[in-house]
Amino acid sequence: QKEVEQDPGPLSVPEGAIVSLNCTYSNSAFQYFMWYRQYSRKGPELLMYTYSSGNKEDGRFTAQVDKSSKYISLFIRDSQPSDSATYLCAMSDLMNRDDKIIFGKGTRLHILP
Amino acid sequence: DAGVTQSPTHLIKTRGQHVTLRCSPISGHKSVSWYQQVLGQGPQFIFQYYEKEERGRGNFPDRFSARQFPNYSSELNVNALLLGDSALYLCASSLDRWALHFGNGTRLTVT
Repeated sequence: QKEVEQDPGPLSVPEGAIVSLNCTYSNSAFQYFMWYRQYSRKGPELLMYTYSSGNKEDGRFTAQVDKSSKYISLFIRDSQPSDSATYLCAMSDLMNRDDKIIFGKGTRLHILP
Repeated sequence: DAGVTQSPTHLIKTRGQHVTLRCSPISGHKSVSWYQQVLGQGPQFIFQYYEKEERGRGNFPDRFSARQFPNYSSELNVNALLLGDSALYLCASSLDRWALHFGNGTRLTVT
């Protein structure tokens, strides 16, 4: 079983729809949870992070963490064509000396105008 | 402010050759990490350096090595290149341990 599982998609939704992206994980030591957005031919860009369980909202984006289910989600409201990108979930326990972050495979998202 | 810069942007090498990739972190960032991203996969941790000291190494062979210089810039070296080393190599710098700021990577093709 991989440490982090993420459906690669592609996921196509019409403009204005609510998008739900998800990851599951197996390592119960993970404490920090992140979402990165990666446009084609670019490096990943940090969108949001959360510590432990709970919700965090930033504009049109909401991140949720359910540690009991080992499940994290990213919701995008009022989706725009500019949101079309690959979304990577990432997580870390930061108990180790190094700052290794484990990434999911990424979900390719297409917002249809 | 300048972001993380990586050079070169693209590189084509032959099997068995050696390659050096370079990274300049965001000003003030003392931590630099290297990740390998194969097409269709998420980035995979290779190394982390903090204050010129190696803090962590991922599950990569000894053909991969890195170092960090006094100005916090970094080099990733790969010896005896294999076809499977073809990937996007990403450098990231950070102030906070988890908030990585990535460059746009070096795309390495091994033929």
